[in-house]
Amino acid sequence: EAGVVQSPRYKIIEKKQPVAFWCNPISGHNTLYWYLQNLGQGPELLIRYENEEAVDDSQLPKDRFSAERLKGVDSTLKIQPAELGDSAVYLCASSSDRGQGYTFGSGTRLTVV
Amino acid sequence: AQTVTQSQPEMSVQEAETVTLSCTYDTSESDYYLFWYKQPPSRQMILVIRQEAYKQQNATENRFSVNFQKAAKSFSLKISDSQLGDAAMYFCAYKTSYDKVIFGPGTSLSVIP
Repeated sequence: EAGVVQSPRYKIIEKKQPVAFWCNPISGHNTLYWYLQNLGQGPELLIRYENEEAVDDSQLPKDRFSAERLKGVDSTLKIQPAELGDSAVYLCASSSDRGQGYTFGSGTRLTVV
Repeated sequence: AQTVTQSQPEMSVQEAETVTLSCTYDTSESDYYLFWYKQPPSRQMILVIRQEAYKQQNATENRFSVNFQKAAKSFSLKISDSQLGDAAMYFCAYKTSYDKVIFGPGTSLSVIP
């Protein structure tokens, strides 16, 4: 079984530019999460999807961040415009059962210069 | 609000020895899940072990075991016969009744040959 696939693995952009990250969850996993992980810290939830519905986006900075999960499968997270403080690792995870842990992707390391 | 605390930013252990990583959490819920995740330098978050709060028996996965003290809200991870491949960041995580996972700040474990 393929794991959670994220791309790109690394991204370097100039501030004020847009950037997008893509995530393909494990087949059959209805729940998809985007997490932000700053250096030396634990992941923090940005948004959670149940199928195509965003059920928890309370931590998503909506002035510059947006996300979508078309057809309840793949998801895209976008930042526009990016700021220096957005430099971090963006992790995607999926799950099928509340009692199970998440399966994470390898993340995208974003550097804003 | 639920919080997860890991009081040991860094730990080290001699190869083949045993080490215990501490985790405490704060919640008013009675039904929840607890997890330990491992994050090596590759950034891939790997589920190490899970514990259901309503189960009194401590979870065990090969060399990994937990000491779950529900009343004390403590969830420590014991790694026996430590191996070089165990070196990583370890995150304690709490999953709420509404399916939100909160991560602790992490403990960096070094294994000394």
